[in-house]
Parts: sequence; structure tokens; C-alpha cells
Amino acid sequence: DTGVSQDPRHKITKRGQNVTFRCDPISEHNRLYWYRQTLGQGPEFLTYFQNEAQLEKSRLLSDRFSAERPKGSFSTLEIQRTEQGDSAMYLCASSFQREYNEQFFGPGTRLTVL
Amino acid sequence: GQQVMQIPQYQHVQEGEDFTTYCNSSTTLSNIQWYKQRPGGHPVFLIQLVKSGEVKKQKRLTFQFGEAKKNSSLHITATQTTDVGTYFCAGPYAGGTSYGKLTFGQGTILTVHP
Repeated sequence: DTGVSQDPRHKITKRGQNVTFRCDPISEHNRLYWYRQTLGQGPEFLTYFQNEAQLEKSRLLSDRFSAERPKGSFSTLEIQRTEQGDSAMYLCASSFQREYNEQFFGPGTRLTVL
Repeated sequence: GQQVMQIPQYQHVQEGEDFTTYCNSSTTLSNIQWYKQRPGGHPVFLIQLVKSGEVKKQKRLTFQFGEAKKNSSLHITATQTTDVGTYFCAGPYAGGTSYGKLTFGQGTILTVHP
């Protein structure tokens, strides 16, 4: 399977714990995106990378969220001191670097904060 | 900030009926993309429109991009049960360098009764 993969698929944690998610993009893609999706809503942009550089981060993203893509391949999204409001589906997508680029989404990580 | 609105939020049709969803942006878009998300699945890219007034067809699906590049529509002719899902429009701001940052509409949920 050469699509975008995410791990884990599901995560249940207690409030206040830290969690980390991983995304492996399509290998030829140098752009990688993180989105958050809650029930009944469209994906909400969090941040994106071009190679290893984080080019943009949503102003809605609190300091508890951090993302890395150290070698320009896989990426991790960490949420520190989780809150119940962080419960959502976290989607990763990747694309080629060009002006108009369709994004290929992974299956997502569903986070539940108790 | 940029807002993308879709109507209707829900649409129930009998199999064989047509379906249309409309997308409106508060700002001019450099392009518009449409995604489909099946229940329990992740968004899957359908098509991208770039030019003002552009119309594209994919079998029973017809996509339009408005002259002002602020609105778009997706029309499905003779719906089938396989068309069930949520249809999202998404687009980046025109101008600037944030080509990667997609703003999604909240989606139109389509159900098809056999």
C-alpha cells in the first residue's frame, strides 16, 4: 500500500496526558499537512510542512500542540496536557509541491480524551 | 479570516434523483477542490477547478467554478447508493504563498434511499 498511513488509528487517553501521533506520507510527496476534524465539520487546518520546514501553523493551534518532520519524511504531532476538547479525528495528508495540488489523506487517528 | 460555507447541510434523495451542493467563499480562491468522505472514512480527492467559470465532468458528476472564483457547485445526475457520503469543497486563498492551506466547508451529507 503506497498511500498515507497514520499510527495509531485510535487513542484513548486521560485528561492531562501527552499523546503523539505519527504520519507517513506518500514517499514522493514533499508536502505534509495536519488537520483536525470533529463530528459534522470539515477538516480544520492545523499546520503544514514542505520537506522538513514547517511553513504555516494555524493561529487556532495552542502551544500544547507541536509537530515535527525532522527528515522531511514522516511527521509526528504531539499534544501535551490533553483536554477533553482535544477529542477529534486527526488527519494527515500529503501532496506534491506545486501551485495547485490535490491532497491525499490518511485514515486518521481518532483521539478520545476522558 | 476566510470562510467557506456549503449548503445544504443535509440532502436526502431517492435513488435516481439529482443532487446539487453549493459552496461559497468569503474571499476569492485560487482554486477549488472537492472531496468525498464516506461514512467512517477519510476525505478522498475528487477534482480541482482552477479557471474562472470552469466546468468539469466526471461521469454523472458535474463541477462548476464561479466567474468570480468565490463559489462552486457539484451536481450529481441520477444518484446511486454508492454516492452516499459527505461532499466537501475546499480552497486556498488567492494570492500569497499558502497554497497548501486548504479551508474546508462544513460539508453536505448525502443519503440515498434505494
